Amino acid sequence: GAVVSQHPSWVICKSGTSVKIECRSLDFQATTMFWYRQFPKQSLMLMATSNEGSKATYEQGVEKDKFLINHASLTLSTLTVTSAHPEDSSFYICSADKPADTQYFGPGTRLTVL
Amino acid sequence: KQEVTQIPAALSVPEGENLVLNCSFTDSAIYNLQWFRQDPGKGLTSLLLIQSSQREQTSGRLNASLDKSSGRSTLYIAASQPGDSATYLCAVTGGATNKLIFGTGTLLAVQP
Repeated sequence: GAVVSQHPSWVICKSGTSVKIECRSLDFQATTMFWYRQFPKQSLMLMATSNEGSKATYEQGVEKDKFLINHASLTLSTLTVTSAHPEDSSFYICSADKPADTQYFGPGTRLTVL
Repeated sequence: KQEVTQIPAALSVPEGENLVLNCSFTDSAIYNLQWFRQDPGKGLTSLLLIQSSQREQTSGRLNASLDKSSGRSTLYIAASQPGDSATYLCAVTGGATNKLIFGTGTLLAVQP
């Protein structure tokens, strides 16, 4: 197996502020990481693919200027929700692609925007 | 566009029963299929991974089958226990990328 962590596990913020979520692969290097969003009682929806050293690839309908992704090292990707609004409240989950293996998922971050 | 559907959406069974969860996908050109478990408010735990060339995988009381040509997979849980209560998600990977397309999920409740 492999371990992926996320920080914070939960965050509450005021509308209009920005929130940064970190995703770390603790025991392997990941060239590619993925960010998902999950609304209550719904499945996971892929938001973007984060590639180390290059720009992220966003899925259709996901605003890249609102959800900023930075994959600055082989063990860290960050997702920044800029000017958050209540409709951005969701469960955000990242995964890291372990080479010659599979994706390993983080524990998720619960974002609540007031 | 790949679409993944799971039936039933919710299932409640008494402890000890054997049960089957279903997953169907519209594009049979997949690389692999995975079954995950998600506890409330938590991340995902991978249960079984079936490569496209395989027909089934087993782990303990879990058995997953794959029929790629018909676009179906089943997850069989033997002798269910209350601790099996969770949401079960299937996901497929296909094409040149390693993107996972998730199904709609089945919420399982095993009654003691």
